[in-house]
Amino acid sequence: NAGVTQTPKFRVLKTGQSMTLLCAQDMNHEYMYWYRQDPGMGLRLIHYSVGEGTTAKGEVPDGYNVSRLKKQNFLLGLESAAPSQTSVYFCASSYSPRMGVTQHFGDGTRLSIL
Amino acid sequence: EDQVTQSPEALRLQEGESSSLNCSYTVSGLRGLFWYRQDPGKGPEFLFTLYSAGEEKEKERLKATLTKKESFLHITAPKPEDSATYLCAVQARKYSGGGADGLTFGKGTHLIIQP
Repeated sequence: NAGVTQTPKFRVLKTGQSMTLLCAQDMNHEYMYWYRQDPGMGLRLIHYSVGEGTTAKGEVPDGYNVSRLKKQNFLLGLESAAPSQTSVYFCASSYSPRMGVTQHFGDGTRLSIL
Repeated sequence: EDQVTQSPEALRLQEGESSSLNCSYTVSGLRGLFWYRQDPGKGPEFLFTLYSAGEEKEKERLKATLTKKESFLHITAPKPEDSATYLCAVQARKYSGGGADGLTFGKGTHLIIQP
């Protein structure tokens, strides 16, 4: 049982390049989230999805786009990478956003923008 | 704005030396308070959810408690394998970032247990 799987695990980009991070979950969860984790800061929500075909902005959405074409996959895109986007990106999923439902996390993608 | 503050930022203990980690929060209506454990190079691993003041939950050497303003993670007779960063997060009734119920995280407490 894989849970939440993120690919790639590591990536180095040059400023201005684009890339897509993939998150896949095998728990049939409706809700999926993208967070970023930076040194000295808590995880911050970038975008989220409440179901297939839907996406919405979180706390820090600028510079990112997302898509949820299939229920099990949630993609995070950087159209023109900037050094400020150097971070560790975590995907999470839950079967419901309601009261106290646990979010399950992947092991992250470590992204460096030079 | 929802806020979560964890203290201390780092804590070094001897094996067997019990202690507590603090999570203070301000939130517009608490739906749930979560504790996660994060090992280096890994994603957060769920430990506990607390819903209302007075609630307590235990798992092995860990015990989480909740009041109206803070939560404590008590570690009893810790072992080196308990070394990790412990994250606290809250889920508000109305997410200040807009829309669905994302979590607001604290910065974490980095715990080291020395043999």
